Amino acid sequence: GDSVTQMEGPVTLSEEAFLTINCTYTATGYPSLFWYVQYPGEGLQLLLKATKADDKGSNKGFEATYRKETTSFHLEKGSVQVSDSAVYFCALSGEGGSYIPTFGRGTSLIVHP
Amino acid sequence: DAGVTQSPTHLIKTRGQQVTLRCSPKSGHDTVSWYQQALGQGPQFIFQYYEEEERQRGNFPDRFSGHQFPNYSSELNVNALLLGDSALYLCASSLGTSRTDTQYFGPGTRLTVL
Repeated sequence: GDSVTQMEGPVTLSEEAFLTINCTYTATGYPSLFWYVQYPGEGLQLLLKATKADDKGSNKGFEATYRKETTSFHLEKGSVQVSDSAVYFCALSGEGGSYIPTFGRGTSLIVHP
Repeated sequence: DAGVTQSPTHLIKTRGQQVTLRCSPKSGHDTVSWYQQALGQGPQFIFQYYEEEERQRGNFPDRFSGHQFPNYSSELNVNALLLGDSALYLCASSLGTSRTDTQYFGPGTRLTVL
């Protein structure tokens, strides 16, 4: 079945550092790929998405490129802020009629001033 | 514009009891999905409701059931509670059932089973 693997956290960075959170997936065909962010005590918010190969999703300085050849969707940001501290989830929705979204386990990001 | 709201915020039950969780979707949304998020894990899809019918279901037993009302709000019912049902239950709404539709999540209901 479909699966998503994320790098384990926590990822600890200083403010203005470069961020990469790795995400790889297993799915048949061409799934849609998503990154969600969860701030403490809140529900998930969609950060960005890509629905076909080579698409780049971007939002709030975060970017991720849908790489079919490496089945990856790594999240990057050039300069993180303390306010970016949260848990980040990579997710996919499979191709075909069955909608069942699959989430990774989440990666905690801690940004120090 | 109110986002997705869920009630109650927290709930404590004992094994064997039954629980009902409620969700009001974002204004204009017609589709509601429910997820279970165990501590330190990603959300797991329970089921999705559209036009008052269950459209998709994840790998959850029949103890988990739901309902969608004509105003698109939804309930999640869990019978015969087990300790392992302790989790954050998230509701998400969207406009339509396409896999590319953006889902908007509520803050969740924290269920503790003792």
